[in-house]
Amino acid sequence: AQSVTQPDIHITVSEGASLELRCNYSYGATPYLFWYVQSPGQGLQLLLKYFSGDTLVQGIKGFEAEFKRSQSSFNLRKPSVHWSDAAEYFCAVGDGQAGTALIFGKGTTLSVSS
Amino acid sequence: DAGITQSPRYKITETGRQVTLMCHQTWSHSYMFWYRQDLGHGLRLIYYSAAADITDKGEVPDGYVVSRSKTENFPLTLESATRSQTSVYFCASKDRYEQYFGPGTRLTVT
Repeated sequence: AQSVTQPDIHITVSEGASLELRCNYSYGATPYLFWYVQSPGQGLQLLLKYFSGDTLVQGIKGFEAEFKRSQSSFNLRKPSVHWSDAAEYFCAVGDGQAGTALIFGKGTTLSVSS
Repeated sequence: DAGITQSPRYKITETGRQVTLMCHQTWSHSYMFWYRQDLGHGLRLIYYSAAADITDKGEVPDGYVVSRSKTENFPLTLESATRSQTSVYFCASKDRYEQYFGPGTRLTVT
């Protein structure tokens, strides 16, 4: 079955510390991978995406993610977290076809401590 | 303004009432989607549409009805609202690769 797993429901990181959010997927076709962020009461904003090519992709707000096909993973990283990064993060996978809805993980809530 | 909008942003209704959530996009994307977001479940697909007058069920369609008479609009109707339909509803449109989300509608059924 096609699915996305975000193993960590909630993570707390100190401000200025590094961050890694995990994402594993199970997908039959070549995966197109996404990370979205949702601030409280807001909609979903695209952080970054991977379609092909360089497996390390850069996104907005200083985030990056690395695609590892052998591990079926697409982990999100940030070298130094800011208090404004506190939000919920969703990993999603698609197949590059317009008619295919993205499959989302259940999300990881990030809290930032001072 | 270009983009995808939803209305209303907040709605409180009573059990048994009919409620329609509106979604409008300005990109002329063929594909549009409705999701609901619930704690512990992430986003679950309710219905999607490939074009005007073409719709299909997603993961959790029961209790919902959609229509799409125009490419830019994709309303979602709860014909007889239940408490279990209290949720945040997101509409999205999609080009070949990316989905673009509206700001969401927070619906409370009392």
